[in-house]
Amino acid sequence: ETGVTQSPTHLIKTRGQQVTLRCSSQSGHNTVSWYQQALGQGPQFIFQYYREEENGRGNFPPRFSGLQFPNYSSELNVNALELDDSALYLCASSSGAARSVSGNTIYFGEGSWLTVV
Amino acid sequence: GNSVTQMEGPVTLSEEAFLTINCTYTATGYPSLFWYVQYPGEGLQLLLKATKADDKGSNKGFEATYRKETTSFHLEKGSVQVSDSAVYFCALSPNAGNNRKLIWGLGTSLAVNP
Repeated sequence: ETGVTQSPTHLIKTRGQQVTLRCSSQSGHNTVSWYQQALGQGPQFIFQYYREEENGRGNFPPRFSGLQFPNYSSELNVNALELDDSALYLCASSSGAARSVSGNTIYFGEGSWLTVV
Repeated sequence: GNSVTQMEGPVTLSEEAFLTINCTYTATGYPSLFWYVQYPGEGLQLLLKATKADDKGSNKGFEATYRKETTSFHLEKGSVQVSDSAVYFCALSPNAGNNRKLIWGLGTSLAVNP
């Protein structure tokens, strides 16, 4: 049990639709990162939020966007879904901006399985 | 069930010191094992992997051997550099049916001082 909860756990969407995934970070954690893990692949970094601002982004198009709220929970939004967006989406939370190796532990949620048909 | 246990950090070493980060796992069947690294301000990167017993994964001077008898996959490097400062994650993939989800350790932070 990491204290990071994601919802929904599974969902199916149609190509072209939009999806919102949610993440509640562990209490006291102000940094949230999102990853996409396609079947048989390692996780790919999408972006990171620190104190409600995006402070790092991987190689994903603008139709992947996010938000972090004052309580540090977060949303991942994907517009104009494509078949290749089918994947497990992981949320990870930690304290600090991940710009130092001061011993901050990063906790991952169980993930949200998205299938695009 | 499946689980991964890593040694707790932070680990602080001087440059050129020998590094070991312990990782043990619990799994049914024959999982694949991974080490991921996260450098400051960046996302996770795959460092190395092993898919069957006695396989040795290696990359950038890091090595880990898949030991089924001890259910371990310890990460080692003979001489660390300041640039190795990062958080290291051990993970497994159960390889059971349709379950491809990675099971992650909590991560071990490494700081290397010049």
